Amino acid sequence: QAALTQPRSVSGSPGQSVTISCTGTSSDVGGYNYVSWYQQYPGKAPKLMIYDVSERPSGVPDRLSGSKSGNTASLTISGLQPGDEADYYCCSYAGNSRMVFGGGTKLTVL
Amino acid sequence: QITLKESGPTLVKPTQTLTLTCTFSGFSLSTSGVGVGWIRQPPGKALEWLVLIYWDDDKRYSLSLSSRLTISKDTSKNQVVLTMTNMDPVDTATYYCAHRRYGYNYWEYWGQGILVTVSS
Repeated sequence: QAALTQPRSVSGSPGQSVTISCTGTSSDVGGYNYVSWYQQYPGKAPKLMIYDVSERPSGVPDRLSGSKSGNTASLTISGLQPGDEADYYCCSYAGNSRMVFGGGTKLTVL
Repeated sequence: QITLKESGPTLVKPTQTLTLTCTFSGFSLSTSGVGVGWIRQPPGKALEWLVLIYWDDDKRYSLSLSSRLTISKDTSKNQVVLTMTNMDPVDTATYYCAHRRYGYNYWEYWGQGILVTVSS
């Protein structure tokens, strides 16, 4: 299973919005509404931020939102804050209980 | 409160077999719908899903690594064991175990991870 394609890096200034894309195929992203997003700080375990394309777990601010169109899912973070600076990974269900992750995107808050 | 913690060797030699244990609390792997999986991350690189085991002993393996991986559970000890054969330096990574529920296709709870280095 090939990894999902994410931009290596994105950046934005405090208060701005950024969008991170996650491109797969009809066998994963495009085939199921089961895309999740994880935030990871250096040396820490990933943290679930979005599941089922656009659902937020309890405690995740509504500044984060997810969407999907065709084989591409997106994570948008609005009202950027310094604490948002981290790596972000998408993950998609790929059938038969298998999962595939994206290559990761480093978000820099300028 | 659900917690998971990985344990095992932090250094293995090439060609050796790696055995990692995930010890968890706050849930039982005898409860219908519960699963535990393993995900790894080489230093500075992306996450990679490896394997998953469900409460009913159903197992799912990454297609690229299935020949080298074995997963098992000990319900009485609240543990899941991962073995990976024929270790190579490219297998150097932080290995995470994580909780998942059947039909819920995301990893809600993660262990802290264990860095395993493969070197002679």
